[in-house]
Amino acid sequence: AQTVTQSQPEMSVQEAETVTLSCTYDTSESDYYLFWYKQPPSRQMILVIRQEAYKQQNATENRFSVNFQKAAKSFSLKISDSQLGDAAMYFCAYRSSHTGANSKLTFGKGITLSVRP
Amino acid sequence: GAVVSQHPSRVICKSGTSVKIECRSLDFQATTMFWYRQFPKQSLMLMATSNEGSKATYEQGVEKDKFLINHASLTLSTLTVTSAHPEDSSFYICSARESGDYGYTFGSGTRLTVV
Repeated sequence: AQTVTQSQPEMSVQEAETVTLSCTYDTSESDYYLFWYKQPPSRQMILVIRQEAYKQQNATENRFSVNFQKAAKSFSLKISDSQLGDAAMYFCAYRSSHTGANSKLTFGKGITLSVRP
Repeated sequence: GAVVSQHPSRVICKSGTSVKIECRSLDFQATTMFWYRQFPKQSLMLMATSNEGSKATYEQGVEKDKFLINHASLTLSTLTVTSAHPEDSSFYICSARESGDYGYTFGSGTRLTVV
């Protein structure tokens, strides 16, 4: 079974600075998808960024980028120019490329990010 | 982008009664929908996976008779908490996956309080 590990329960960053959230996963599959979701106090799950494992190029979305290291099974999220609105809980998630029951997401425990003004 | 509407956002019910939560995909057909439960400051716990027209697949430890899931159409899935008790109080979230896309869209969640 696949597992996703987010070892840091909390992190804090100064506004306008850069922060990196770590995530590692364990799988025996070669093809899969990885996601970072943001959950602000409203508790709405918002997709931040996603990555297909077969793509070597790291995904980027404006201030958000990932460092995908397939061999190390690492998928960290970098937030540049942090803003107060970035304060939220962030979840790393894994999904097999197979359909059916295996299409479900496996989530990490999450990390609470606070942004200091 | 894809939108999933979840209702109600908050519900308070008396112990012993049943409550239904709806999850609708507004602009796409959702072949698969997922139901999660989340406790404060914790991760999402998958309860069950539903596919249109077939029985839901429940995760180990989830009571099928307590948490009834129906996915009657490609745009609607419902979760009914039967004979609710205070320990069922939680935040419930649905998500949907559009056929052909590997991503997921989440509903805004339902805060259930059983008194």
